[in-house]
Amino acid sequence: IAGITQAPTSQILAAGRRMTLRCTQDMRHNAMYWYRQDLGLGLRLIHYSNTAGTTGKGEVPDGYSVSRANTDDFPLTLASAVPSQTSVYFCASSDGESGTDTQYFGPGTRLTVL
Amino acid sequence: GQNIDQPTEMTATEGAIVQINCTYQTSGFNGLFWYQQHAGEAPTFLSYNVLDGLEEKGRFSSFLSRSKGYSYLLLKELQMKDSASYLCAVRDSNYQLIWGAGTKLIIKP
Repeated sequence: IAGITQAPTSQILAAGRRMTLRCTQDMRHNAMYWYRQDLGLGLRLIHYSNTAGTTGKGEVPDGYSVSRANTDDFPLTLASAVPSQTSVYFCASSDGESGTDTQYFGPGTRLTVL
Repeated sequence: GQNIDQPTEMTATEGAIVQINCTYQTSGFNGLFWYQQHAGEAPTFLSYNVLDGLEEKGRFSSFLSRSKGYSYLLLKELQMKDSASYLCAVRDSNYQLIWGAGTKLIIKP
C-alpha cells in the first residue's frame, strides 16, 4: 500500500441498509478525516480523528459514525442509509504535527442510495 | 457564518496565463490551501500560504492577502492537462479546513 486506500470504489445501496466505507493509510499519519463531496458544494467534513482512540464531529455528522481503533484505519459507517447520503466520500489524512499539516486524500467512494 | 467564494467556471487558452480568485470569511485564519482535482479523482495538494505574499512553485503561484481575505492561484504556460477543478480551502480557528466549491478550469487549444 502506498498512501491512502478506500473501499469500495463504488456502491449502490438500498435505503435503510447499513454500510461501512473503509479507509486505510500507511503513512503513519496521526489525523484522519472523512468528507463528502456533492455537486456545487465544497467538501464537507463529516467526522475526524486527531489521533488513534479519539474522534470528533465535523460539519455534517448526522447519520454517520466512525471509529479509530488504530493509527492506520478509519472506517465510516452509515447505520441506516438515506437517499440524501448519495455522494462521493473522501478519506484524508495528515501528520497533524507540521505547520502546514497538509491533508492527503484517498481515491474516494462513490455511493448511491436508492 | 464561514464562507469561501470562487468562480464556478473559467475558460483559458493553451499556453496562456489564468488567475483563479478566492475570497474568504472565516472564524480565524491558520493558512490557505489550493488543491487540484481532476474529474473523477481525488484532490491533490498544490500550495499553502500562511503569510501575505506570493509563493511560487514552477508554473503555479499562489498569493495571499490576509487583510483583504483574498487569495489567487496563478497558472502560467497552460497545458491541456491543467483542465481540472481548483479548490480553495482555509484552515479556521478550530484547525478545520473550510472548502470552497471549486473552480472548473477549461483549457482550449
